[in-house]
Amino acid sequence: EDKVVQSPLSLVVHEGDTVTLNCSYEVTNFRSLLWYKQEKKAPTFLFMLTSSGIEKKSGRLSSILDKKELFSILNITATQTGDSAIYLCAVEVPEAGGFKTIFGAGTRLFVKA
Amino acid sequence: DAGVTQSPTHLIKTRGQQVTLRCSPKSGHDTVSWYQQALGQGPQFIFQYYEEEERQRGNFPDRFSGHQFPNYSSELNVNALLLGDSALYLCASFPGQGTHEQYFGPGTRLTVT
Repeated sequence: EDKVVQSPLSLVVHEGDTVTLNCSYEVTNFRSLLWYKQEKKAPTFLFMLTSSGIEKKSGRLSSILDKKELFSILNITATQTGDSAIYLCAVEVPEAGGFKTIFGAGTRLFVKA
Repeated sequence: DAGVTQSPTHLIKTRGQQVTLRCSPKSGHDTVSWYQQALGQGPQFIFQYYEEEERQRGNFPDRFSGHQFPNYSSELNVNALLLGDSALYLCASFPGQGTHEQYFGPGTRLTVT
């Protein structure tokens, strides 16, 4: 069965800290890995990763994929209270002309002022 | 440009009843996916619609059905509601060709009593 596992499940840090969120996966087929941020309801897109070893970066956030070891990390440097959210990792699994998206349970990050 | 919209925002139903949730995709998007997100969990893939047909389906019973209209909007129907169907139902859209970055709507919070 396809699955995506995130760790830790929750994390409390102080403003200015650097955090690393982990995502491992076991899927029958792989197209891409995605990271989303969910603050209230609608997850918002952060990164899409398809190739190993190529870091994607956006401001204080960065992510990298290791397709050999089947994992990805999301780094957040100089955390701010606005980074408090659930971070979701998802893998796209191609299937018969389309694809399905398998999400992990998420990492709940709380940044203290 | 309106993003993905969903209606209603909240809904309370009784066990055994039927419910219909609605989704309008982002302009230019022709593919819609539906997800169920229970409290404390990541979104679970229900199904995906493209060209008015169900293209992919996750591990959900037949009580969950859907439809896509010629204008690409979509409905999710759930029959014979169970208490366990209480969740946030998210709709996501993306263009069928090209990137699979999914844009999520704000969701419908369904409570079954």
